[in-house]
Amino acid sequence: SQELEQSPQSLIVQEGKNLTINCTSSKTLYGLYWYKQKYGEGLIFLMMLQKGGEEKSHEKITAKLDEKKQQSSLHITASQPSHAGIYLCGADFFSGSARQLTFGSGTQLTVLP
Amino acid sequence: GAVVSQHPSWVICKSGTSVKIECRSLDFQATTMFWYRQFPKQSLMLMATSNEGSKATYEQGVEKDKFLINHASLTLSTLTVTSAHPEDSSFYICSARSYFGPGTRLLVL
Repeated sequence: SQELEQSPQSLIVQEGKNLTINCTSSKTLYGLYWYKQKYGEGLIFLMMLQKGGEEKSHEKITAKLDEKKQQSSLHITASQPSHAGIYLCGADFFSGSARQLTFGSGTQLTVLP
Repeated sequence: GAVVSQHPSWVICKSGTSVKIECRSLDFQATTMFWYRQFPKQSLMLMATSNEGSKATYEQGVEKDKFLINHASLTLSTLTVTSAHPEDSSFYICSARSYFGPGTRLLVL
């Protein structure tokens, strides 16, 4: 979607290295969701951010939403092969609880042992 | 546990046949559900918004006569791929609120 840009498209890192995936919106977000997926399988919910400046962490994954609520980053510390997969950011551009999400193009992450 | 289920999880069919995919919200009612499609190495693309008791809203480029959506109850939406062709082979995922179903793999021979 042109409304949501995700970068990089693919990332290959050595095990133990840190990495960052970015998601940039052309509009203010009501919410930003991060998912992990393998093609042909369901989405694994990672984190949701709603407030400007918000930061959440789970294990070695940290997600941030900037103050303007237009840019989010996902940072993985000391990557492991288990982190490999497709990472998707999903933007909620609409208020309310329906939760229609517009997805970024995805980032294919490969972690080399 | 899963809060949105899909059935079937995978289906193989012959070209020209119709395939129905079900999406159910298990622990809550959903007046709105969403259908996404994903091709290999690509992201999820929204196909349509399913509205309980009214017509679905389709995204630009999605044929409404090809992909029939019925949202007959507050917990069930169905997507029917009519006269399926090999180019319809894809991974279809539904969602309600921010919960996603496990997806349905469709292979049209």
